[in-house]
Order: sequence, then C-alpha cells, then structure tokens
Amino acid sequence: AQTIHQWPVAEIKAVGSPLSLGCTIKGKSSPNLYWYWQATGGTLQQLFYSITVGQVESVVQLNLSASRPKDDQFILSTEKLLLSHSGFYLCAWSLGTEVFFGKGTRLTVV
Amino acid sequence: QQKVQQSPESLIVPEGGMASLNCTSSDRNVDYFWWYRQHSGKSPKMLMSIFSNGEKEEGRFTVHLNKASLHTSLHIRDSQPSDSALYLCAASITGSFNKLTFGAGTRLAVCP
Repeated sequence: AQTIHQWPVAEIKAVGSPLSLGCTIKGKSSPNLYWYWQATGGTLQQLFYSITVGQVESVVQLNLSASRPKDDQFILSTEKLLLSHSGFYLCAWSLGTEVFFGKGTRLTVV
Repeated sequence: QQKVQQSPESLIVPEGGMASLNCTSSDRNVDYFWWYRQHSGKSPKMLMSIFSNGEKEEGRFTVHLNKASLHTSLHIRDSQPSDSALYLCAASITGSFNKLTFGAGTRLAVCP
C-alpha cells in the first residue's frame, strides 16, 4: 500500500531563518508530487508540482523553492522565512485523477 | 485565472438533517470536480469526484453536476456531528490534473 510521510509535523521558526520541509512517498512509482499551502482560515493553494525527478514547476511565487532529488522525495525550502510563510504545508501525490494528501506540517514563523 | 466559488461560507445543520453545499467554477474549460473534507488540524480527504452531468451517490453523500453552468453541489443526508468539518471543492481540466484549483470551502457544523 502506498504511504506518504511528511516531516516535521510542526515547526516554530524565527523570521529570517532557513526552512526545509520534506515528504516521501512509498509504494508508488513515478507519482506526480505537489506542495500545497493553507494559511490559517485560508484557501488551499498549490505551490509547486513535479511530474518527474529533477523537474519542478512553480505555481505561486511565495519566496519558496522546491526540489525533487529522488523519485519518491519532494523538498520545500527557503533561505529566509517571512511572517507570511506561517500556515499548514501539505505534500500530495497523484497517479491519475485523485490527489492524496500527507498529514501536513504546521509552520509558525515568529 | 480559474476561480472556484463555494457557498455558503458556513452552515449549521441539526443532527439528522440535510446539508447542501455549492460550488461553481468560472473557467469554462473545467470538466472535473472533487469534494474534499478537512477536519480541524487534519489534511483533506477526498469524498467524491464527478465529471459527468447528473448525480452520483455514495452512502449518505450525493453529488450533482451541471456542466452547462459549471455548478456542482454536495448533499449530506442524516448529518452526524462527525461530519462537522471544512468541505473543499476542487476543479480541474481533464489532462491537466496538475492544476487543481480549490475553493475557500464551506465550514459545516452539525449540532446534536
């Protein structure tokens, strides 16, 4: 069975500090991978998607970057966090029409 | 840019009652809709999807789609307190599932 694991579960970071969030998908070969962001009380917004290793498309500019170093791994990062980066980050995968979400990372920037 | 509008923003129904949620896309190319449920602090879980005109039923949940008006609705009968959650509608274009656009959601509260 396929599983999606996100890390960390939660983070409290200072403004201006770097960030790295990750997810791994097991049990599926060459899935489409996505990063979504949801501000508190806000809409779920797609940030990045990747169809294959090494290729990442940006959907929304939020001073974040994403990379797919392996087929089953997706990384979200930034050099300098802003207060506006606070929220709920969700990694997701699909192999067709349905999108499956990980459990998410709750990020608080202080 | 495609927009997905959901209404109402919030809804309170009594336990055992019917909840009706609406969703419309502004993009005439959209032909696939999803309904997700997100409990507080949790990630969204897909409830149902629909791409054909008409109705689809799964247990207590029924989804309608009118492709001409790009309107879909979700109906929950015999609502339970455990149905209390944020309901998200998402839309995409066949072949472009990488670009899933979500609405802002309807927050449903089912009161015992």
